[in-house]
Amino acid sequence: GDSVTQMEGPVTLSEEACLTINCTYTATGYPSLFWYVQYPGEGLQLLLKATKADDKGSNKGFEATYRKETTSFHLEKGSVQVSDSAVYFCALSDLGGSARQLTFGSGTQLTVLP
Amino acid sequence: GAGVSQSPRYKVAKRGQDVALRCDPISGHVSLFWYQQALGQGPEFLTYFQNEAQLDKSGLPSDRFFAERPEGSVSTLKIQRTQQEDSAVYLCASSFGGPAYNSPLHFGNGTRLTVT
Repeated sequence: GDSVTQMEGPVTLSEEACLTINCTYTATGYPSLFWYVQYPGEGLQLLLKATKADDKGSNKGFEATYRKETTSFHLEKGSVQVSDSAVYFCALSDLGGSARQLTFGSGTQLTVLP
Repeated sequence: GAGVSQSPRYKVAKRGQDVALRCDPISGHVSLFWYQQALGQGPEFLTYFQNEAQLDKSGLPSDRFFAERPEGSVSTLKIQRTQQEDSAVYLCASSFGGPAYNSPLHFGNGTRLTVT
């Protein structure tokens, strides 16, 4: 079955540091890949997505590239801010399975210190 | 409202009690999903509705879990004879419809269920 494995947290960084959160996946079909973010006290919201190999999703300074050869979708940001403190979830939607539902990783807690 | 609304925000139930969790999706959204999120884990799919039709309930963990969406808008997730392992955050999400890659899910803030 489909699965997502992401880097365990928590991750603590100083403001303006570089961020990488690793995510790898297993899928039986042709997945689309997503990063969702959950800010404190709020619901999950879509951060970025990529629907095919070599696509790069980007939003709010975050980027992730769909790497089919390594089955990875690592989240990166060059300079984090205190406001980026949140839990980040990698997810996939498998067109070979149920294209509507999402399979999530376990989440990575990020804390950015001023 | 502008977003997905879930109620109650918190629910404490004694083991063996029945609970009902409500979800008000974004108006006009065809698709509605329920997910279960255990502490420290990612959300896990429970069930999916397209309008009033429950098209996928493969994620429901037991026959104690039941979901409905009778008029294609508000949905209720019911858990009968709650057990301690049912303690989790229950998330509702809605979308316009179609596959997730072109119809993003909008999540509510969830209902945190604690079974004592």
